[in-house]
Amino acid sequence: DTGVSQDPRHKITKRGQNVTFRCDPISEHNRLYWYRQTLGQGPEFLTYFQNEAQLEKSRLLSDRFSAERPKGSFSTLEIQRTEQGDSAMYLCASSPGTGIRYEQYFGPGTRLTVT
Amino acid sequence: GQQLNQSPQSMFIQEGEDVSMNCTSSSIFNTWLWYKQDPGEGPVLLIALYKAGELTSNGRLTAQFGITRKDSFLNISASIPSDVGIYFCAGPNTGKLIFGQGTTLQVKP
Repeated sequence: DTGVSQDPRHKITKRGQNVTFRCDPISEHNRLYWYRQTLGQGPEFLTYFQNEAQLEKSRLLSDRFSAERPKGSFSTLEIQRTEQGDSAMYLCASSPGTGIRYEQYFGPGTRLTVT
Repeated sequence: GQQLNQSPQSMFIQEGEDVSMNCTSSSIFNTWLWYKQDPGEGPVLLIALYKAGELTSNGRLTAQFGITRKDSFLNISASIPSDVGIYFCAGPNTGKLIFGQGTTLQVKP
C-alpha cells in the first residue's frame, strides 16, 4: 500500500534561488492538492488538479509559484526567486475525486527553509 | 471567508484521562474531517463525518457532527503517550479543505 510521497523531505536554499518539489499521489487518485503550513497554523490551500487540469489557485499562490501535473499522475511545485517568507512545510494530498466524499490523504511534506 | 475555530488551543493531560476538543464554524459544513499531525509529518486522517448528528468511532476516538452543522467534537478515551500531536478539524469548500488552527495534545506518562 503506497501512500502519497513527496520529495525532497527537506530543502534549504538561499534567498533568490529557485526550488522544485515533487509529489506522487496515491495511484488512481484523480485529484491532487498542494497546501502550505507555517508553524502553529493549519494547512492552507494553494492549488489543486483534477487529472492534469489545474482547477483552482489560491491568492496565496503568487506569480513566483507554479504547479504542474503534466500527465495526471505526479505533480511538481516550483517556487522562483525564493523569499524568506516562503519558509514553510509544503504538503501534498490526493483524493479519488469521485462521488461526494471529501477525504484527502496527505504526504509527509517538504520542509523548505530559505536563508 | 469560512473559518474554523478549534478549542482548546492546547491540552496537557495525564495518561489514562479522556480528552475532548471541538471545532466551530460561522457557516454550515456538510462534511467534517479530523486529522492528527505528528511533528515533521503530514496530517493523517482519523475520522470523516457526513451527516448532521452522526457519531463515528475509530478505536478510542469518537467524533460527532453537530446537529447545527456548524460544529464538531472529537473525544479520545483513555489517552496514551502516542496520542501526543496536533489535532486538526477540516471542512470542504469547493473541493479544497479549510483547516482549523489545531489543538495540541500533550500526554504525561
